[in-house]
Amino acid sequence: DGGITQSPKYLFRKEGQNVTLSCEQNLNHDAMYWYRQDPGQGLRLIYYSQIVNDFQKGDIAEGYSVSREKKESFPLTVTSAQKNPTAFYLCASSRAGGLTDTQYFGPGTRLTVL
Amino acid sequence: DAKTTQPTSMDCAEGRAANLPCNHSTISGNEYVYWYRQIHSQGPQYIIHGLKNNETNEMASLIITEDRKSSTLILPHATLRDTAVYYCIVRFHNAGNMLTFGGGTRLMVKP
Repeated sequence: DGGITQSPKYLFRKEGQNVTLSCEQNLNHDAMYWYRQDPGQGLRLIYYSQIVNDFQKGDIAEGYSVSREKKESFPLTVTSAQKNPTAFYLCASSRAGGLTDTQYFGPGTRLTVL
Repeated sequence: DAKTTQPTSMDCAEGRAANLPCNHSTISGNEYVYWYRQIHSQGPQYIIHGLKNNETNEMASLIITEDRKSSTLILPHATLRDTAVYYCIVRFHNAGNMLTFGGGTRLMVKP
């Protein structure tokens, strides 16, 4: 099946530890995105990548890092520098180019830092 | 950048049409209006998008006013499974393909 997968669905970490969230897509999309959602809030953009080996910071990139070594993969690392890492993290992808490209979202990873 | 304003919450009776409004008074000529929805603890789901003309697909209809300053998403026969947060988004033309989500409208479909 074509789609976007994120793993794991739930993740628990101790404060001060780095943690990496996985995002894989087999839609042959060029662009991929990471969003954060806090309870009762909308989505906020962390990082995005429009092509392999290139990515840009979104609105709330501090304390996060990404890599885009392969077209189908866009892992997000939540570092110990992130002050409030507990949140719901969503990965999305779209075809690159054009204003009408729709973003498709994965199921999300709920990260809880203890 | 154009921003959107939506009511925080709405109720709708099962089987009736749900009309979700969105104001985007600062929208520019090359920006599209997108609608997504998010069911609790799941990723957002694309519903529909449009530029000027009204649009319809298997999920919903999108009505955009002539001046493009507002739009309405219509779910013609709401079911309990349509209970979700609905996001109205205007695509920023100078920011690649990113979407910025505001608070959305929490639609509660009641039996």
